[in-house]
Amino acid sequence: GAVVSQHPSRVICKSGTSVKIECRSLDFQATTMFWYRQFPKQSLMLMATSNEGSKATYEQGVEKDKFLINHASLTLSTLTVTSAHPEDSSFYICSASPGTGGNYEQYFGPGTRLTVT
Amino acid sequence: AQSVTQPDIHITVSEGASLELRCNYSYGATPYLFWYVQSPGQGLQLLLKYFSGDTLVQGIKGFEAEFKRSQSSFNLRKPSVHWSDAAEYFCAGRYDYKLSFGAGTTVTVRA
Repeated sequence: GAVVSQHPSRVICKSGTSVKIECRSLDFQATTMFWYRQFPKQSLMLMATSNEGSKATYEQGVEKDKFLINHASLTLSTLTVTSAHPEDSSFYICSASPGTGGNYEQYFGPGTRLTVT
Repeated sequence: AQSVTQPDIHITVSEGASLELRCNYSYGATPYLFWYVQSPGQGLQLLLKYFSGDTLVQGIKGFEAEFKRSQSSFNLRKPSVHWSDAAEYFCAGRYDYKLSFGAGTTVTVRA
């Protein structure tokens, strides 16, 4: 149980285009989803937190107009990188949680490798 | 500010030898603590977690971790490593609802 998928697993796009990454919880309802970014050989940095049906909460320094997050249902959140540039190339990982308090844990997706040329 | 520190960037260990990865946390209260493993190009897999109770926590793949409040530590151990344990290991603390990750420790296993 507690499986999270991401699609696509790998994407290459040209500079200036937009890319959408999907994160799905396959066997549970995710009240909250998280988006992380990971540079090579580095740790995960939280970009934003989204709750179903409400606006995402972005971490300091993350451009909300560049990284659009939509949590339209309890099983799907999307991250759209708008007008992508080479510096946006990174590994993007989502996680999903059935709740935010108590003993709820985050379940991670397999990640999406974005390369902007 | 809440933070998690992993002092060791890279550890090399021989197959069959024991492994210990260090993790220290800096929080006002005891956070929920986690250890994750990441293989190259993959997402994170939860090895174990500590919320409360018994300070010695057993996880998957033969890993265990011990929470020591006096040292603000949550070190990960495995008595005998296998070549398949070569990966990146992340310690994380959850404060409120957010996870804060350490920088990670790369484990190399030599034959």
